[in-house]
Amino acid sequence: QSVLTQPPSASGTPGQRVTIPCSGSSSNIGNNHAHWYQQLPGTAPKLLIYRTNQRPSGVPDRFSGSKSGASASLTISGVRSEDGADYYCAAWDDSLSGWVFGGGTKLTVL
Amino acid sequence: QVQLQESGPGLVNPSQTLSLTCTISGGSISNGNYHWSWIRQPAGKGLEWIGRIYTSGSTNYNPSLKSRVTISVDTSKNQFSLRLSSVTAADTAVYYCARGLSMDVWGQGTTVTVSS
Repeated sequence: QSVLTQPPSASGTPGQRVTIPCSGSSSNIGNNHAHWYQQLPGTAPKLLIYRTNQRPSGVPDRFSGSKSGASASLTISGVRSEDGADYYCAAWDDSLSGWVFGGGTKLTVL
Repeated sequence: QVQLQESGPGLVNPSQTLSLTCTISGGSISNGNYHWSWIRQPAGKGLEWIGRIYTSGSTNYNPSLKSRVTISVDTSKNQFSLRLSSVTAADTAVYYCARGLSMDVWGQGTTVTVSS
């Protein structure tokens, strides 16, 4: 059971807007930044969004992040076939004094 | 361009200690105020944070693993290491090392199987 809650799957057709939610609590997302990682099959996770809504250099601007209270969201505006991957949210948890992850969402581009 | 590379035995006997090393290239482990983390992922499952070390040597561990985990840093070798004691089959996973508060750089991962 993950501390952060994500839906196990999401889907969209090319060009659609897809949003992946991540629900936490006051001790993690509610009081700290959320981060998002993309994991393509057989590869290491890659930082996609940091500090809730910042994109590292090289990440396409169709990826964006936001937060409201203790929940965060990753939005892909105009999803592409190559975006099919697993997506994980993460945050520092003040109560646990450690990082916590969501269980991951598998995005299928139909 | 900083790169991380995990190394260590791919097979560990049950009840023994798993030992892995993460070697940093393209930069110094001592440069910048970075934390250095270990994360693992059992096959087909999600990510689990194991713990982290700051260059000063201070550590934070996942409470569920704290009694079995030690993370250390060797600045002379530009490495940091993970030791996980009393391993069982449940510790079989791909182990990753990563840099920073946002975990912005990851190693490629190394598979560790716990089996006799």
